[in-house]
Amino acid sequence: QQQVKQSPQSLIVQKGGISIINCAYENTAFDYFPWYQQFPGKGPALLIAIRPDVSEKKEGRFTISFNKSAKQFSLHIMDSQPGDSATYFCAADRGSQGNLIFGKGTKLSVKP
Amino acid sequence: KAGVTQTPRYLIKTRGQQVTLSCSPISGHRSVSWYQQTPGQGLQFLFEYFSETQRNKGNFPGRFSGRQFSNSRSEMNVSTLELGDSALYLCASRAGATNEKLFFGSGTQLSVL
Repeated sequence: QQQVKQSPQSLIVQKGGISIINCAYENTAFDYFPWYQQFPGKGPALLIAIRPDVSEKKEGRFTISFNKSAKQFSLHIMDSQPGDSATYFCAADRGSQGNLIFGKGTKLSVKP
Repeated sequence: KAGVTQTPRYLIKTRGQQVTLSCSPISGHRSVSWYQQTPGQGLQFLFEYFSETQRNKGNFPGRFSGRQFSNSRSEMNVSTLELGDSALYLCASRAGATNEKLFFGSGTQLSVL
């Protein structure tokens, strides 16, 4: 049972464009939603995270939008750069259990 | 501050063998989690240890086990290896049992032949 669905699987964006990755979850008990960035040969690195009491969180060029009623959240990367080319994972957790449920990942390629 | 350190970086084993993977968390972090990453299944939670006690366990067979030492270092063991166990095994640490921020190591790439 996939509790966090992520789309698209892959994404190609021109340099300077906006990258948008979407996730949907099923378990309303989830209360923590992080995004991770993974480069080849490396482990995932925490990018940005949000809790359901906030509808949007911005850190630099990265923004999470959260829609609690629709059980959806998304990552927006503004002014995408070739260095942003990586695989992005959304995840969810409840009660700080540390048992992250990950989406299947989105491979982002930013073309120069 | 050094990050999460996993050894070895690569391992090649044959079916039926057993393997032990090692993880050193960030200094001061008392919680260690293990995840399996495969192209087909993605990232899946194996288990979490806090203060030498297993707090959570994912949906994996009993061939997968782990332990944590008093210095917070952790080991993961897989017995009777199967071809399907080929994966990147990731260790992650966090400061405490209620701290959500998880920091991952670079993983151990296990190939089962």
